[in-house]
Amino acid sequence: DVQMTQSPYNLAASPGETISINCKASKSISKYLAWYQQKPGKANELLIYDGSTLQSGIPSRFSGSRSGTDFTLTIRGLEPEDFGLYYCQQHNEYPFTFGSGTRLEIK
Amino acid sequence: QVTLKESGPGILQPSQTLSLACTVSGFSLTNYGMGVGWIRQPSGKGLEWLANIWWDDDKHYNPSLKNRLTISMDTSNNQAFLTITDVDTADTGTYYCGRIDRQVGYHFDHWGQGVMVTVSS
Repeated sequence: DVQMTQSPYNLAASPGETISINCKASKSISKYLAWYQQKPGKANELLIYDGSTLQSGIPSRFSGSRSGTDFTLTIRGLEPEDFGLYYCQQHNEYPFTFGSGTRLEIK
Repeated sequence: QVTLKESGPGILQPSQTLSLACTVSGFSLTNYGMGVGWIRQPSGKGLEWLANIWWDDDKHYNPSLKNRLTISMDTSNNQAFLTITDVDTADTGTYYCGRIDRQVGYHFDHWGQGVMVTVSS
């Protein structure tokens, strides 16, 4: 199985700041990585797929990038509604695997 | 508007069989490239992919649970199902279904809100 190592586990930031969340795959997954946001009482939301493709309807302050097996989700100009949990998922091969999650909290 | 809604028994006892349903709207399970997957999340923990079923009835399972999982669908009622046999307390958590459009990619572009399942004696 492809192991996804996600960091940091916790992240505290203020509105307006720029933050980054990282996921490293244990082997090549090409570009096939997705990022999701999870918030209580809401369905999980797809933010980015194929490493850097912004899902329709997602604000442009979210972006994704890739360097080899390292993937980064960047949020520029944090908004209050951005705080929550974030997960990466490789969708290159079965079994699909997820990162352990990052909790983004208000500082 | 694409929506998915999970339903399940809420509570069940160890060794029983868990049966979950995912009712979808806004798309057809028989459309080329469409798939539905099941993902679960133990309380306070991360996400684990369980299984996918595709428009052509092709199926894929997580090998770590494969012998216990069965995924199926009822296209006439726009539902996908997952059963997990011989449950124990480790199967407690929230179960989600998600849509995959294989023509775009193998990511989950829509999710249900999840259904909580508790396994307890």
